[in-house]
Amino acid sequence: GNSVTQMEGPVTLSEEAFLTINCTYTATGYPSLFWYVQYPGEGLQLLLKATKADDKGSNKGFEATYRKETTSFHLEKGSVQVSDSAVYFCALGPISNFGNEKLTFGTGTRLTIIP
Amino acid sequence: DAGVTQSPTHLIKTRGQQVTLRCSPKSGHDTVSWYQQALGQGPQFIFQYYEEEERQRGNFPDRFSGHQFPNYSSELNVNALLLGDSALYLCASRRGYEQFFGPGTRLTVL
Repeated sequence: GNSVTQMEGPVTLSEEAFLTINCTYTATGYPSLFWYVQYPGEGLQLLLKATKADDKGSNKGFEATYRKETTSFHLEKGSVQVSDSAVYFCALGPISNFGNEKLTFGTGTRLTIIP
Repeated sequence: DAGVTQSPTHLIKTRGQQVTLRCSPKSGHDTVSWYQQALGQGPQFIFQYYEEEERQRGNFPDRFSGHQFPNYSSELNVNALLLGDSALYLCASRRGYEQFFGPGTRLTVL
């Protein structure tokens, strides 16, 4: 079945540091890939997505590239801010609108940014 | 445009009781999914509803059941609550590839 393996946390960085959170997946075919963010006390928010190989998703300074050859979707940001402190989830999604519908999530990585 | 809304925000029940959680999808969304997020874990898929029918189900026992109404809103019912059912329950509505999540209902079973 589908699975997502995500870099274990917690991760603590200083403000303006470079961030990488690793994510690899196992799936049949070529699923869509997502990064979701969860701020304290809130639900999940979509951060970025990629729906096919070599696509790069980007939002709010975060980027992730869909690498089919390494089955990876690592999240990066060049200069983190205190407001980026949250839990980040990598997820694998529908291969088609009428196929496997559910999202499969990794276990999450808690990120704390120190001023 | 209102996002996905869920009620109640928090709920405390005792073992053996039954609970009903509610979800209203984003406007224009007709597919609703439910997820269980245990503390420190990623969300786990419970089931999905479309056109008032359960279309797909995750690895959850029959104690977990749901319903979708003609206006696309949905309910999640859990019978015979166990301590292990304590979690954040998330509802998501879908358009295309993208699912939009509500803020969740925090269920505590004592």
